[in-house]
Amino acid sequence: QKEVEQNSGPLSVPEGAIASLNCTYSDRVSQSFFWYRQYSGKSPELIMSIYSNGDKEDGRFTAQLNKASQYVSLLIRDSQPSDSATYLCAVNSGGSNYKLTFGKGTLLTVNP
Amino acid sequence: DAGVTQSPTHLIKTRGQQVTLRCSPISGHKSVSWYQQVLGQGPQFIFQYYEKEERGRGNFPDRFSARQFPNYSSELNVNALLLGDSALYLCASRSDRGRTTNEKLFFGSGTQLSVL
Repeated sequence: QKEVEQNSGPLSVPEGAIASLNCTYSDRVSQSFFWYRQYSGKSPELIMSIYSNGDKEDGRFTAQLNKASQYVSLLIRDSQPSDSATYLCAVNSGGSNYKLTFGKGTLLTVNP
Repeated sequence: DAGVTQSPTHLIKTRGQQVTLRCSPISGHKSVSWYQQVLGQGPQFIFQYYEKEERGRGNFPDRFSARQFPNYSSELNVNALLLGDSALYLCASRSDRGRTTNEKLFFGSGTQLSVL
């Protein structure tokens, strides 16, 4: 059973701080990794994708991938109250057939 | 451009009934996937269709079935509903033009199914 595990929340940070979200996966052959943001009552929205080891930055968001450790993380710099949401880590475990396996999500609350 | 559209937005059924959920992908997208999201959990993969052919199936019973039409829209059917089928059902579509674009899933707003 291919699994994706996320650090248990909820995570609470003050406005302006760095929020760090972590994720591990079990399928060593996975090649594609994603972070989705889901506001309460809404559908998931893709915020970052990463395919190679190292860091990928997009605005206030940085995704980090370490395939040897089977570890993916998301850093949110200068956190804003509008970042308060559930963050879902997802791994493509279906290869070209593209099947995403999601973690349970981490609820992030940014306090003003 | 319209995003992924799903209907209905909410649905209430009783145990044993059957339900059909509908999805229209983004124009030009040929792949449609279905996910089930139970409250407090991440979405779980149910089906993927590409060019009207099933390309993947998750760990769901045969009560769950789906199909894709020539216009790439899709239906998800669930028979003999159980209380545990209560969830948000998400449809997602993706394009197939290169790797980065290829692997971006666009989710619809979902259908909230309640089984009483």
